[in-house]
Amino acid sequence: AQSVTQLDSQVPVFEEAPVELRCNYSSSVSVYLFWYVQYPNQGLQLLLKYLSGSTLVKGINGFEAEFNKSQTSFHLRKPSVHISDTAEYFCAVSGPLSGSARQLTFGSGTQLTVLP
Amino acid sequence: SQTIHQWPATLVQPVGSPLSLECTVEGTSNPNLYWYRQAAGRGLQLLFYSVGIGQISSEVPQNLSASRPQDRQFILSSKKLLLSDSGFYLCAWKGNTGELFFGEGSRLTVL
Repeated sequence: AQSVTQLDSQVPVFEEAPVELRCNYSSSVSVYLFWYVQYPNQGLQLLLKYLSGSTLVKGINGFEAEFNKSQTSFHLRKPSVHISDTAEYFCAVSGPLSGSARQLTFGSGTQLTVLP
Repeated sequence: SQTIHQWPATLVQPVGSPLSLECTVEGTSNPNLYWYRQAAGRGLQLLFYSVGIGQISSEVPQNLSASRPQDRQFILSSKKLLLSDSGFYLCAWKGNTGELFFGEGSRLTVL
């Protein structure tokens, strides 16, 4: 079984400041990791994903995340946020591609609010 | 390219009325399809998934049902809505590397 913990339910930050949204996971097997963004009244949009290779993953909108296997973390970062980054962010983990179709487990979400 | 559409976008229904939310995917064949629900202030709850026509797996016993009458069509239904069925419903299909691609969502308010 796998699980995802997003440590902060709400993160307020001033515009142009850096931000880090934390995500920890637990799994007994190798995992694939994802970050999604959800703007109000919209579906989830994939920001970035880690499958293998380089542990630093770059995504859309200037976001990046670093996979840390020893700490079982996949924190999302952006060096300078904009008002338009205000949204809810979800971390998700998936087991190996073979097997059940039901594999993606989501965290409870972090609401990022960028203040002017 | 692949696209996914849901409708209706918003719906207000009285308690006890039926429900039908529809999801269609274009640009891919035999996709794995999913229905999720977001209740107010809560995370994503997986309701149903389907690996093919007529094949439905239910994750949570509830007042809802799902059907997949065609390869790229996934329908969420209820015969009698409850107040607790209110929420934001999301359909998704699964990509080749395990990620999910979501539709625009359908907001259901049960009064």
